[in-house]
Amino acid sequence: DAGITQSPRHKVTETGTPVTLRCHQTENHRYMYWYRQDPGHGLRLIHYSYGVKDTDKGEVSDGYSVSRSKTEDFLLTLESATSSQTSVYFCAIVRDTDYEQYFGPGTRLTVT
Amino acid sequence: SQQGEEDPQALSIQEGENATMNCSYKTSINNLQWYRQNSGRGLVHLILIRSNEREKHSGRLRVTLDTSKKSSSLLITASRAADTASYFCASHTNAGKSTFGDGTTLTVKP
Repeated sequence: DAGITQSPRHKVTETGTPVTLRCHQTENHRYMYWYRQDPGHGLRLIHYSYGVKDTDKGEVSDGYSVSRSKTEDFLLTLESATSSQTSVYFCAIVRDTDYEQYFGPGTRLTVT
Repeated sequence: SQQGEEDPQALSIQEGENATMNCSYKTSINNLQWYRQNSGRGLVHLILIRSNEREKHSGRLRVTLDTSKKSSSLLITASRAADTASYFCASHTNAGKSTFGDGTTLTVKP
């Protein structure tokens, strides 16, 4: 929905390595989001963006940084991955027209 | 504690029965949205209700919002086995920040 893709879809990495996840949208909506979901829980907001180079922290932002240099791309970086960052990461947009939020397919990240 | 909370955490009903799940939030909102997630899959948007609306319908779904109590409910009428999933609410502020609850797991038995 809303032309959202995430890459990679699956990644296994070692503790201490940097990791970047990419979210791409095709409809140029202003708001983009990164969430993580852990087993048995809802989604927790990591960072969100309300425009190019405009970002803000969510409730679990420690250990994560983001960048948005183009409207269509929102990157999430784990500077030095830890095992506690093993999770499923979802990107989302909020449509400018009606404020409905739509999600990408998710990235399953495992940090060993 | 989580800003958004759903209850019950789990709900098991027979096909054809109605399912009601509730959501509470803590801050002023612009809107509240409900989502469905099938096991191991992504989230599907169900319905959005704005802060100035009290009730909204979409097919077999009915959502209510009580801003004085900071709560919302989702009613699924005439449940089907295919409705088996986890259901989440998310409150959205005017600044665009969103907060999810931990969800209600609904099981509909054939």
